[in-house]
Amino acid sequence: AQKVTQAQTEISVVEKEDVTLDCVYETRDTTYYLFWYKQPPSGELVFLIRRNSFDEQNEISGRYSWNFQKSTSSFNFTITASQVVDSAVYFCALSSGDKIIFGKGTRLHILP
Amino acid sequence: DGGITQSPKYLFRKEGQNVTLSCEQNLNHDAMYWYRQDPGQGLRLIYYSQIVNDFQKGDIAEGYSVSREKKESFPLTVTSAQKNPTAFYLCASSNLAGAAYNEQFFGPGTRLTVL
Repeated sequence: AQKVTQAQTEISVVEKEDVTLDCVYETRDTTYYLFWYKQPPSGELVFLIRRNSFDEQNEISGRYSWNFQKSTSSFNFTITASQVVDSAVYFCALSSGDKIIFGKGTRLHILP
Repeated sequence: DGGITQSPKYLFRKEGQNVTLSCEQNLNHDAMYWYRQDPGQGLRLIYYSQIVNDFQKGDIAEGYSVSREKKESFPLTVTSAQKNPTAFYLCASSNLAGAAYNEQFFGPGTRLTVL
């Protein structure tokens, strides 16, 4: 069975601090894709990144970076120098077929 | 602008009434999805459709029904059989049906409250 676990239900940090959101997944498939989505207070999920199971290279996009480690089945997301606009719910997700399995999300509060 | 529209944003209904949530996309995507979001529960898949006139049950299909008569439209009906319908409902679409690498694009959601 496929599963995505985001153990951190809620995190609060002060603006400009770095924060890492954890994601652990379970799958028996050898080919799969991992995603991160952001859900701001408006409610609409916004796609952030996709990573396939054969590419363990870390990725950086501005203040965002992602660390994919197959050995620990983790796909963690780090925000550097956090800003108030980063406050949102963040979802990690896993796909190997026609459906995406979402984690329960981590609510991130960036305090001014 | 290409995207997904859901209407209305807020919907109130009396218990025992059926209600239909609208979802339209102009992205020319093949696949469409309905999710339910409850506090602390993440997103749970209700139904999905990979092609017109075909759809499959997701993890929590009981009490819901859908149709896919047009590529761009995938309405969701919440029936009176749904025990706890109050929730936030999100519609999504993706480009190629069955392609695991495709990200999903989401609408703004409809918050349904049953009184």
